[in-house]
Amino acid sequence: KAGVTQTPRYLIKTRGQQVTLSCSPISGHRSVSWYQQTPGQGLQFLFEYFSETQRNKGNFPGRFSGRQFSNSRSEMNVSTLELGDSALYLCASSLEQGAAGNTIYFGEGSWLTVV
Amino acid sequence: GENVEQHPSTLSVQEGDSAVIKCTYSDSASNYFPWYKQELGKGPQLIIDIRSNVGEKKDQRIAVTLNKTAKHFSLHITETQPEDSAVYFCAASVNQFYFGTGTSLTVIP
Repeated sequence: KAGVTQTPRYLIKTRGQQVTLSCSPISGHRSVSWYQQTPGQGLQFLFEYFSETQRNKGNFPGRFSGRQFSNSRSEMNVSTLELGDSALYLCASSLEQGAAGNTIYFGEGSWLTVV
Repeated sequence: GENVEQHPSTLSVQEGDSAVIKCTYSDSASNYFPWYKQELGKGPQLIIDIRSNVGEKKDQRIAVTLNKTAKHFSLHITETQPEDSAVYFCAASVNQFYFGTGTSLTVIP
């Protein structure tokens, strides 16, 4: 069974640009969540999507957005990139919505560098 | 919201020794506690988890214990091997997952 797939794996963007990251969950998983990982802040929850609807959102500015498609694949977008957005962006999938008792499985991540 | 603290931040052990990583959480409503291992350049991989109605769980050389009263849980790795070297994260979940800051484990051959 294929795991969580994220593309692209590495990318470099310039301040002010926007970026779109893609995630394909494990087959049969309907929930996709996104995390930002940085050395200083650790793993921070961005948002969760289930049935094409955002179900939960972390404490990030509106420049960070996402969506989920009918096949459960998800994308996240960051607009007006700042240097501080440089991070590893991780996608995780789970069978059901919410964190209470649901196991989440991570992808390999997308390394974003903003210059 | 929930606050998860993880200690130590770095840990070095000799091959064959045991390693223990401890986490505390603040929200008594948290009911699920997974542990992840992250190797360099890779995403976190689930290694073991425990639910709030269980006090201990073991999987070969890895075990996790949970003390709900004291709000802490620990990861125990016995007979450590060089391939156990990685960063380990604990997490607690209530409405979302809250992660500890990670422990960098080095197993010295």
